[in-house]
Amino acid sequence: EAGVAQSPRYKIIEKRQSVAFWCNPISGHATLYWYQQILGQGPKLLIQFQNNGVVDDSQLPKDRFSAERLKGVDSTLKIQPAKLEDSAVYLCASSLTGQWDGRVTEAFFGQGTRLTVV
Amino acid sequence: KQEVTQIPAALSVPEGENLVLNCSFTDSAIYNLQWFRQDPGKGLTSLLLIQSSQREQTSGRLNASLDKSSGRSTLYIAASQPGDSATYLCAGSGSRSNDYKLSFGAGTTVTVRA
Repeated sequence: EAGVAQSPRYKIIEKRQSVAFWCNPISGHATLYWYQQILGQGPKLLIQFQNNGVVDDSQLPKDRFSAERLKGVDSTLKIQPAKLEDSAVYLCASSLTGQWDGRVTEAFFGQGTRLTVV
Repeated sequence: KQEVTQIPAALSVPEGENLVLNCSFTDSAIYNLQWFRQDPGKGLTSLLLIQSSQREQTSGRLNASLDKSSGRSTLYIAASQPGDSATYLCAGSGSRSNDYKLSFGAGTTVTVRA
């Protein structure tokens, strides 16, 4: 079974530039998550999709971050304009379902994209 | 909202010693608790998932327990090896929500000395 795919693996940009990250979840997984992990901290949820609808984006800085999940499969996370404090690893994860229906909803993560803003 | 804490932040042990990693959470009505391993510069690898109806899960040298009443989970790694050196993260979700949202601790960085 193929895992969660993310690209690029690394990105270095100057502040005020824009950047986009791509994620392809495990086939059949309805729920997709984007997390931000700052060095030395645990991952923080930015946005959660159920199919192509947004379930939770309460911690997404909407003035500069945007995300979409076209056709309920692949997803793109964009930052525009980037700030120095956006330097972090951006992790994409997927699970079979995010709904509490009794099924086990184990989350699987991609390798992440390491963003450095200079 | 589920708050997760992991203590200690770092741990160093000699090879062969058993590892005990602690995780505490605030919402005792937890739905799932998941343990992950993260190697430097890599993503998260799922190790064990414990559902709210379970008390423990085992996989090889790994055993994780869940005590909802005390708000704690413990990951045991038997007979540690240098290859076990990594950061271990626990994450939990609260059952009051309809959504499976993982809240993470900051992790425990483990070094196993050869």
